[in-house]
Amino acid sequence: TQLLEQSPQFLSIQEGENLTVYCNSSSVFSSLQWYRQEPGEGPVLLVTVVTGGEVKKLKRLTFQFGDARKDSSLHITAAQPGDTGLYLCAGAGNYQLIWGAGTKLIIKP
Amino acid sequence: DTEVTQTPKHLVMGMTNKKSLKCEQHMGHRAMYWYKQKAKKPPELMFVYSYEKLSINESVPSRFSPECPNSSLLNLHLHALQPEDSALYLCASSQDGRGGSEEKLFFGSGTQLSVL
Repeated sequence: TQLLEQSPQFLSIQEGENLTVYCNSSSVFSSLQWYRQEPGEGPVLLVTVVTGGEVKKLKRLTFQFGDARKDSSLHITAAQPGDTGLYLCAGAGNYQLIWGAGTKLIIKP
Repeated sequence: DTEVTQTPKHLVMGMTNKKSLKCEQHMGHRAMYWYKQKAKKPPELMFVYSYEKLSINESVPSRFSPECPNSSLLNLHLHALQPEDSALYLCASSQDGRGGSEEKLFFGSGTQLSVL
């Protein structure tokens, strides 16, 4: 059974600080996706990482896929209140996405 | 148009009611999904339609009945639900539902369902 462990589950920091969210597994994934979800809305895809060691940047967000394609991280630089939301990682399983439990992120002004 | 539209946005129903959730996309996607999401939890897959055929049913109780009238529309018929079925019901679509490393899901805003 493929599982994704996401940490931390909850993070509350001040505006301007940096943070990292982790997504780990003992299984290899062909790709890993990161979504952000705001209350009352559906998840929105931020990025897909496919190649081991790949790094993708989306403004202040940096996504990395581990060399062995078993883990991924999301780093946010100089967090802003607009970054508040639930961040979900999801790995491409055999026939469906395998979801992490999510990280609830709150950025205080 | 990269939107997945879900209606209604909110729904309150009693345990004896029959209601339907609707989902529509015009991106030419051939796979559509129903997910259930409890507060602060990740989405749980319920059903997948690929090319208008039900390809995945994740052991969902029969009080939930999906229907895919055509490749753009997806319905979820609800009957005799229980209070524990209260959740956010999300519809999503993707290129063809055959998986693969590049397949991306586009989600609707969801229907917040409360069963009294």
